[in-house]
Amino acid sequence: DVKVTQSSRYLVKRTGEKVFLECVQDMDHENMFWYRQDPGLGLRLIYFSYDVKMKEKGDIPEGYSVSREKKERFSLILESASTNQTSMYLCASSSGQGVNQPQHFGDGTRLSIL
Amino acid sequence: AQTVTQSQPEMSVQEAETVTLSCTYDTSESDYYLFWYKQPPSRQMILVIRQEAYKQQNATENRFSVNFQKAAKSFSLKISDSQLGDAAMYFCAYRSPNGGATNKLIFGTGTLLAVQP
Repeated sequence: DVKVTQSSRYLVKRTGEKVFLECVQDMDHENMFWYRQDPGLGLRLIYFSYDVKMKEKGDIPEGYSVSREKKERFSLILESASTNQTSMYLCASSSGQGVNQPQHFGDGTRLSIL
Repeated sequence: AQTVTQSQPEMSVQEAETVTLSCTYDTSESDYYLFWYKQPPSRQMILVIRQEAYKQQNATENRFSVNFQKAAKSFSLKISDSQLGDAAMYFCAYRSPNGGATNKLIFGTGTLLAVQP
């Protein structure tokens, strides 16, 4: 089975801090994604990556950056955390082989910015 | 741009009964892919079922089936013989054929399903 591991289930940080959310997958997937999930808004794509060192903006990239130095790891960075970034963050990965590959999700990180 | 709409924020069903969750989408593309994902409380989101738009036959996975109406741009999920473990948030998702190998998805806002014993 595919395993997508997010480094923290719960995280509390202060306004202005630089925050790192880490995600690791063990299936050699080409594609990795970061979403935020908010009530009534569903999942919104922040950034995704289709290869090492490659990244593309999703629908809500403002205030975030990402890093993919190794194929298995995709990091989401909040450069200067703000209270409106309090949310559930989900990481996902999928194979790039074929057009109908499902995304596999991690458990999520519930981030609170105080 | 494509959009996905789930008009039922919450639904409830009695154990062993059948429930249908609605999903509509808007697209000008003719060939695409549709998914239903399930997110149990405090647990990982998992794929429930998927449908290729070029296939006329509705997908089925055990107690889960879809009613895919391409002309109406509708993709509803039917859960038969509902079980307590079916209680979860359900998300409908659309994948464009133009996404290449990135498999980028557009999600709806979700339907929270409660199962009553």
